[in-house]
Amino acid sequence: GAVVSQHPSWVICKSGTSVKIECRSLDFQATTMFWYRQFPKQSLMLMATSNEGSKATYEQGVEKDKFLINHASLTLSTLTVTSAHPEDSSFYICSAMGQSSYGYTFGSGTRLTVV
Amino acid sequence: DQQVKQNSPSLSVQEGRISILNCDYTNSMFDYFLWYKKYPAEGPTFLISISSIKDKNEDGRFTVFLNKSAKHLSLHIVPSQPGDSAVYFCAATANSGNTPLVFGKGTRLSVIA
Repeated sequence: GAVVSQHPSWVICKSGTSVKIECRSLDFQATTMFWYRQFPKQSLMLMATSNEGSKATYEQGVEKDKFLINHASLTLSTLTVTSAHPEDSSFYICSAMGQSSYGYTFGSGTRLTVV
Repeated sequence: DQQVKQNSPSLSVQEGRISILNCDYTNSMFDYFLWYKKYPAEGPTFLISISSIKDKNEDGRFTVFLNKSAKHLSLHIVPSQPGDSAVYFCAATANSGNTPLVFGKGTRLSVIA
């Protein structure tokens, strides 16, 4: 089946530094990647949608200059949290879609802690 | 405005009995619904889905029922097993293709042996 590899699974960084999270589709081409964020006891909230080779579309309230998304190839999308602050501490999850409809495959998530 | 609602944050069920998790939605454009199981610090795992043209879909111990007129769906797990203990998310999407999923807040199911 379709697999999405997400790295790192957890990261602790100092306030003010940047962190890059990678999502790779291992056995299919991901035409679209969705990035979600989940705070404790909350739902998975969509941050942005990216299509390969084009700029990401951000949801309202998500700062595009802070959360940089790159989807340069059909198998790799990255989310960079720039100048991270403690309030950015959260669980970030990517979801990839391939050619088939309703084919959402999730990564394993990244727990980001900013200290 | 929450388009997908799971009003029960938690549910406890005895092993062997039926677990019923409920989900309501407000967007009448949603035409495909999915249930995911999630453990802490892991990504969601797909369980079962249903298209709006159906009212029931069954896969082993899992059955999803859809009531379009009430904008309500439910996930039935029978018999419940301790390994089913997790957070269950209901999700919906409005279109085929590249539309992102909209998630509910989840229901924590505890199956007691």
